[in-house]
Amino acid sequence: DGGITQSPKYLFRKEGQNVTLSCEQNLNHDAMYWYRQDPGQGLRLIYYSQIVNDFQKGDIAEGYSVSREKKESFPLTVTSAQKNPTAFYLCASSGDYNSPLHFGNGTRLTVT
Amino acid sequence: GQQLNQSPQSMFIQEGEDVSMNCTSSSIFNTWLWYKQDPGEGPVLLIALYKAGELTSNGRLTAQFGITRKDSFLNISASIPSDVGIYFCAVKAAGNKLTFGGGTRVLVKP
Repeated sequence: DGGITQSPKYLFRKEGQNVTLSCEQNLNHDAMYWYRQDPGQGLRLIYYSQIVNDFQKGDIAEGYSVSREKKESFPLTVTSAQKNPTAFYLCASSGDYNSPLHFGNGTRLTVT
Repeated sequence: GQQLNQSPQSMFIQEGEDVSMNCTSSSIFNTWLWYKQDPGEGPVLLIALYKAGELTSNGRLTAQFGITRKDSFLNISASIPSDVGIYFCAVKAAGNKLTFGGGTRVLVKP
């Protein structure tokens, strides 16, 4: 089945550690996105990539980094510089410009 | 970034009721989308609107793209228990980026 896979579903880390969240898609989509969701809030864009080897900052990129070495993969690293890393992280992808975004099922990160 | 105002923030439904929610912006957008999110999962696209004034249905859901291109509403008719969840409006900006509203949380009346 085609889709977007985020792993793991739940992730726990100690403060001060970097952590990388995985996002893989087999939809052959060019564009991929990372959003952050806090309790009771909407989604905020962290980073996005329109094509392999290229990515742009979203609205809340500070404390995060990404890479796009392969079309199907867009990992997100939450660095120790991110002041409030505990959140629900959602990855999405889309085909051409007119295509809506399709989301994975998210990774819930808890940093203590 | 752009701001979308979604209302109400939450609502209670009773099975069989029709419910409505809306989303407004101070800016004009050419694409409006409605997503639903179940607990612990990613949002799922319900309806996409591409033309001002357009009225589109998906089963018991109906959404309209406002004529001013600054608003949209979503109606759910004859609600059922599985309609609970969070409904988000979203607009498409340059680079195919989506900006989301704060969500309307739909709950079942106790």
